[in-house]
Amino acid sequence: GQNIDQPTEMTATEGAIVQINCTYQTSGFNGLFWYQQHAGEAPTFLSYNVLDGLEEKGRFSSFLSRSKGYSYLLLKELQMKDSASYLCAVRDLDYQLIWGAGTKLIIKP
Amino acid sequence: IAGITQAPTSQILAAGRRMTLRCTQDMRHNAMYWYRQDLGLGLRLIHYSNTAGTTGKGEVPDGYSVSRANTDDFPLTLASAVPSQTSVYFCASSQGYNQPQHFGDGTRLSIL
Repeated sequence: GQNIDQPTEMTATEGAIVQINCTYQTSGFNGLFWYQQHAGEAPTFLSYNVLDGLEEKGRFSSFLSRSKGYSYLLLKELQMKDSASYLCAVRDLDYQLIWGAGTKLIIKP
Repeated sequence: IAGITQAPTSQILAAGRRMTLRCTQDMRHNAMYWYRQDLGLGLRLIHYSNTAGTTGKGEVPDGYSVSRANTDDFPLTLASAVPSQTSVYFCASSQGYNQPQHFGDGTRLSIL
Protein backbone atom coordinates (compact mmCIF):
# COMPACT_ATOMS: atom_id res chain seq x y z
CA GLY A 1 0.00 0.00 0.00
CA GLN A 2 0.90 3.65 -0.11
CA ASN A 3 2.11 5.33 3.04
CA ILE A 4 3.34 8.74 4.12
CA ASP A 5 4.76 9.06 7.65
CA GLN A 6 5.27 12.30 9.57
CA PRO A 7 5.54 13.01 13.30
CA THR A 8 2.16 13.92 14.75
CA GLU A 9 3.35 16.92 16.74
CA MET A 10 6.51 18.92 17.37
CA THR A 11 7.34 21.80 19.68
CA ALA A 12 9.99 24.46 19.08
CA THR A 13 11.04 27.83 20.45
CA GLU A 14 10.61 31.16 18.74
CA GLY A 15 13.80 32.11 16.87
CA ALA A 16 15.06 28.53 16.70
CA ILE A 17 15.31 26.02 13.83
CA VAL A 18 13.08 22.97 13.39
CA GLN A 19 13.23 20.04 10.97
CA ILE A 20 10.06 18.15 10.08
CA ASN A 21 10.67 14.73 8.54
CA CYS A 22 8.58 12.82 6.03
CA THR A 23 9.13 9.27 4.83
CA TYR A 24 7.12 7.72 2.05
CA GLN A 25 6.35 4.44 0.33
CA THR A 26 4.30 4.98 -2.80
CA SER A 27 3.58 3.35 -6.14
CA GLY A 28 5.96 5.49 -8.16
CA PHE A 29 7.26 8.96 -7.49
CA ASN A 30 6.58 12.11 -9.45
CA GLY A 31 7.45 14.79 -6.94
CA LEU A 32 6.97 15.75 -3.30
CA PHE A 33 5.12 18.78 -1.96
CA TRP A 34 5.03 20.54 1.39
CA TYR A 35 1.99 22.55 2.43
CA GLN A 36 1.25 24.69 5.47
CA GLN A 37 -2.19 24.61 7.07
CA HIS A 38 -3.22 26.95 9.88
CA ALA A 39 -6.01 25.69 12.11
CA GLY A 40 -9.39 26.08 10.45
CA GLU A 41 -7.89 27.24 7.17
CA ALA A 42 -7.01 25.79 3.77
CA PRO A 43 -3.61 24.25 2.99
CA THR A 44 -1.21 26.60 1.20
CA PHE A 45 1.70 25.52 -0.99
CA LEU A 46 5.22 25.86 0.44
CA SER A 47 7.65 23.86 -1.67
CA TYR A 48 8.14 21.23 -4.34
CA ASN A 49 10.99 18.72 -4.81
CA VAL A 50 11.33 16.32 -7.70
CA LEU A 51 15.12 15.89 -7.80
CA ASP A 52 17.41 14.97 -4.91
CA GLY A 53 18.81 17.84 -2.93
CA LEU A 54 17.87 21.00 -1.12
CA GLU A 55 15.43 23.67 -2.30
CA GLU A 56 15.67 26.94 -0.39
CA LYS A 57 12.96 29.56 -0.24
CA GLY A 58 13.54 32.28 2.34
CA ARG A 59 13.26 30.88 5.88
CA PHE A 60 11.98 27.56 4.56
CA SER A 61 14.03 24.82 2.88
CA SER A 62 13.00 21.36 1.71
CA PHE A 63 15.24 18.36 1.10
CA LEU A 64 14.62 15.18 -0.87
CA SER A 65 16.35 11.81 -1.08
CA ARG A 66 14.47 9.59 -3.53
CA SER A 67 16.66 6.54 -2.82
CA LYS A 68 15.74 6.73 0.87
CA GLY A 69 12.11 7.75 0.37
CA TYR A 70 12.76 10.69 2.64
CA SER A 71 12.20 14.42 2.78
CA TYR A 72 12.41 17.11 5.39
CA LEU A 73 11.16 20.65 5.75
CA LEU A 74 13.53 23.00 7.58
CA LEU A 75 12.15 26.15 9.15
CA LYS A 76 14.64 28.76 10.35
CA GLU A 77 14.20 31.80 12.60
CA LEU A 78 10.88 30.51 13.82
CA GLN A 79 8.10 33.01 14.34
CA MET A 80 4.87 32.58 16.28
CA LYS A 81 2.93 32.71 13.01
CA ASP A 82 4.71 29.49 11.94
CA SER A 83 2.51 27.59 14.39
CA ALA A 84 0.52 25.41 11.99
CA SER A 85 0.30 21.92 10.58
CA TYR A 86 2.76 20.97 7.86
CA LEU A 87 1.57 18.46 5.29
CA CYS A 88 3.81 16.25 3.17
CA ALA A 89 2.33 14.92 -0.08
CA VAL A 90 3.80 12.66 -2.75
CA ARG A 91 2.64 12.51 -6.35
CA ASP A 92 2.38 8.86 -7.32
CA LEU A 93 2.56 6.93 -10.56
CA ASP A 94 -0.94 8.09 -11.55
CA TYR A 95 -0.02 11.72 -10.77
CA GLN A 96 -2.37 11.81 -7.80
CA LEU A 97 -1.24 13.29 -4.48
CA ILE A 98 -0.95 10.96 -1.49
CA TRP A 99 -1.05 13.00 1.72
CA GLY A 100 0.49 12.47 5.11
CA ALA A 101 -1.63 13.21 8.18
CA GLY A 102 0.42 16.32 8.89
CA THR A 103 2.74 17.51 11.65
CA LYS A 104 1.34 20.02 14.11
CA LEU A 105 4.09 22.49 14.97
CA ILE A 106 3.75 24.41 18.23
CA ILE A 107 5.97 27.47 18.67
CA LYS A 108 6.64 28.64 22.21
CA PRO A 109 7.96 32.09 23.11
CA ILE B 1 -9.16 38.39 -6.05
CA ALA B 2 -8.50 35.26 -8.11
CA GLY B 3 -8.99 31.97 -6.36
CA ILE B 4 -11.38 29.19 -5.45
CA THR B 5 -14.75 29.78 -3.87
CA GLN B 6 -16.57 27.05 -1.97
CA ALA B 7 -20.15 27.17 -0.73
CA PRO B 8 -21.60 26.72 1.75
CA THR B 9 -18.97 27.47 4.42
CA SER B 10 -20.64 25.05 6.77
CA GLN B 11 -23.78 22.93 6.84
CA ILE B 12 -25.64 20.64 9.20
CA LEU B 13 -27.60 18.02 7.31
CA ALA B 14 -29.98 15.25 8.26
CA ALA B 15 -28.96 11.73 7.23
CA GLY B 16 -30.59 10.61 4.00
CA ARG B 17 -30.75 14.10 2.51
CA ARG B 18 -29.14 15.05 -0.78
CA MET B 19 -26.51 17.80 -0.71
CA THR B 20 -24.39 19.56 -3.32
CA LEU B 21 -21.20 21.33 -2.37
CA ARG B 22 -20.25 24.05 -4.82
CA CYS B 23 -16.79 24.92 -6.04
CA THR B 24 -15.88 27.66 -8.52
CA GLN B 25 -12.45 28.83 -9.63
CA ASP B 26 -11.51 31.85 -11.74
CA MET B 27 -7.90 30.93 -12.48
CA ARG B 28 -8.77 28.94 -15.62
CA HIS B 29 -7.05 25.91 -14.15
CA ASN B 30 -7.53 22.68 -16.06
CA ALA B 31 -7.48 20.26 -13.14
CA MET B 32 -9.82 20.27 -10.13
CA TYR B 33 -10.09 18.03 -7.08
CA TRP B 34 -12.31 17.24 -4.13
CA TYR B 35 -10.78 16.09 -0.85
CA ARG B 36 -12.09 15.29 2.58
CA GLN B 37 -10.04 15.94 5.69
CA ASP B 38 -10.70 14.06 8.90
CA LEU B 39 -8.88 14.41 12.21
CA GLY B 40 -5.73 12.29 12.33
CA LEU B 41 -5.91 11.39 8.66
CA GLY B 42 -4.33 12.97 5.62
CA LEU B 43 -6.37 14.62 2.92
CA ARG B 44 -8.13 11.91 0.94
CA LEU B 45 -9.05 12.38 -2.70
CA ILE B 46 -12.72 11.81 -3.49
CA HIS B 47 -12.94 12.69 -7.18
CA TYR B 48 -10.90 14.67 -9.64
CA SER B 49 -11.14 16.17 -13.10
CA ASN B 50 -8.10 16.71 -15.32
CA THR B 51 -10.04 18.87 -17.76
CA ALA B 52 -13.58 20.03 -18.47
CA GLY B 53 -15.81 17.15 -19.52
CA THR B 54 -13.79 14.43 -17.75
CA THR B 55 -13.86 13.09 -14.20
CA GLY B 56 -12.15 10.31 -12.29
CA LYS B 57 -12.46 8.46 -9.00
CA GLY B 58 -10.06 9.03 -6.18
CA GLU B 59 -9.32 7.04 -3.05
CA VAL B 60 -12.77 7.38 -1.40
CA PRO B 61 -15.42 7.95 -4.11
CA ASP B 62 -18.31 5.88 -2.72
CA GLY B 63 -21.38 7.94 -1.89
CA TYR B 64 -20.18 10.95 -3.88
CA SER B 65 -20.57 12.11 -7.46
CA VAL B 66 -19.14 15.02 -9.46
CA SER B 67 -19.59 16.74 -12.79
CA ARG B 68 -17.39 19.08 -14.79
CA ALA B 69 -19.56 20.82 -17.37
CA ASN B 70 -17.14 23.74 -17.76
CA THR B 71 -13.66 24.84 -16.67
CA ASP B 72 -14.76 26.90 -13.68
CA ASP B 73 -17.25 24.73 -11.78
CA PHE B 74 -16.81 21.38 -10.07
CA PRO B 75 -19.76 20.52 -7.79
CA LEU B 76 -19.69 17.55 -5.41
CA THR B 77 -22.97 15.77 -4.65
CA LEU B 78 -23.84 13.49 -1.76
CA ALA B 79 -26.84 11.55 -3.04
CA SER B 80 -27.99 10.31 0.38
CA ALA B 81 -25.86 11.63 3.24
CA VAL B 82 -24.66 9.32 6.01
CA PRO B 83 -23.00 10.27 9.34
CA SER B 84 -19.62 8.90 8.19
CA GLN B 85 -19.56 11.68 5.60
CA THR B 86 -19.21 14.25 8.37
CA SER B 87 -15.95 15.96 7.48
CA VAL B 88 -14.27 19.08 6.14
CA TYR B 89 -14.38 19.13 2.35
CA PHE B 90 -11.77 20.98 0.33
CA CYS B 91 -11.91 21.79 -3.35
CA ALA B 92 -8.60 22.40 -5.11
CA SER B 93 -7.37 23.25 -8.57
CA SER B 94 -4.10 23.23 -10.49
CA GLN B 95 -2.99 24.41 -13.91
CA GLY B 96 -1.90 20.88 -14.73
CA TYR B 97 -1.54 17.58 -12.94
CA ASN B 98 2.15 18.35 -12.28
CA GLN B 99 1.56 21.82 -10.81
CA PRO B 100 0.89 22.80 -7.15
CA GLN B 101 -2.73 22.61 -6.07
CA HIS B 102 -4.54 25.69 -4.74
CA PHE B 103 -7.27 25.14 -2.18
CA GLY B 104 -10.57 26.73 -1.35
CA ASP B 105 -11.46 27.59 2.25
CA GLY B 106 -13.39 24.38 2.78
CA THR B 107 -16.92 23.32 3.69
CA ARG B 108 -17.55 21.96 7.17
CA LEU B 109 -20.29 19.36 6.84
CA SER B 110 -22.02 17.61 9.73
CA ILE B 111 -24.44 14.75 9.05
CA LEU B 112 -26.80 13.96 11.91
